[in-house]
Amino acid sequence: GAVVSQHPSWVICKSGTSVKIECRSLDFQATTMFWYRQFPKQSLMLMATSNEGSKATYEQGVEKDKFLINHASLTLSTLTVTSAHPEDSSFYICSAHRGLSNQPQHFGDGTRLSIL
Amino acid sequence: AQTVTQSQPEMSVQEAETVTLSCTYDTSESNYYLFWYKQPPSRQMILVIRQEAYKQQNATENRFSVNFQKAAKSFSLKISDSQLGDTAMYFCAFMKPLYNFNKFYFGSGTKLNVKP
Repeated sequence: GAVVSQHPSWVICKSGTSVKIECRSLDFQATTMFWYRQFPKQSLMLMATSNEGSKATYEQGVEKDKFLINHASLTLSTLTVTSAHPEDSSFYICSAHRGLSNQPQHFGDGTRLSIL
Repeated sequence: AQTVTQSQPEMSVQEAETVTLSCTYDTSESNYYLFWYKQPPSRQMILVIRQEAYKQQNATENRFSVNFQKAAKSFSLKISDSQLGDTAMYFCAFMKPLYNFNKFYFGSGTKLNVKP
């Protein structure tokens, strides 16, 4: 149990376009989802925390208008990178949480985003 | 704020031998959880082992065990009988349970190379 599906796994697009990444909890309801960014050979950097039905909470330094997060249902959160530029190229990982404070987060497989 | 420190950027071990990865953390919390995650080249985040701070007994999962020293705020991972498939980045994570979700703080990671 506790499977998180992230799609797409890899996307290449031109500079200036917007890209949407989906994160789905397949077999449980996720009251909270997290979005991380990971640079090569570095740790995961938390970008934002989203709770179902409410606005996401962004970490300091993360541009809200650049990285739009929507958590419309208990099984789906989306991250949209708007007007993407080469510096937005990175590996993005989502995770989902059931809502019980003693439970770990369950991670998706990540999305490799390359902006040309 | 919580900080997690992994002081070993990279380690190597011969197949079948034992290796220990270090992790220290800083917190004023009394109720928390600690995790070790493995990230192989595929970049999936795989939960290796977890430890509840209120438990004195060290967690074990097959070849993986931890040495949890609460007073010293130390949480090391021991991998016995190392296998080639253990080659990966290993992240130590501190989890602070909040009201209805949790927040993870990750260390910078240790790259483990298992040599044949």
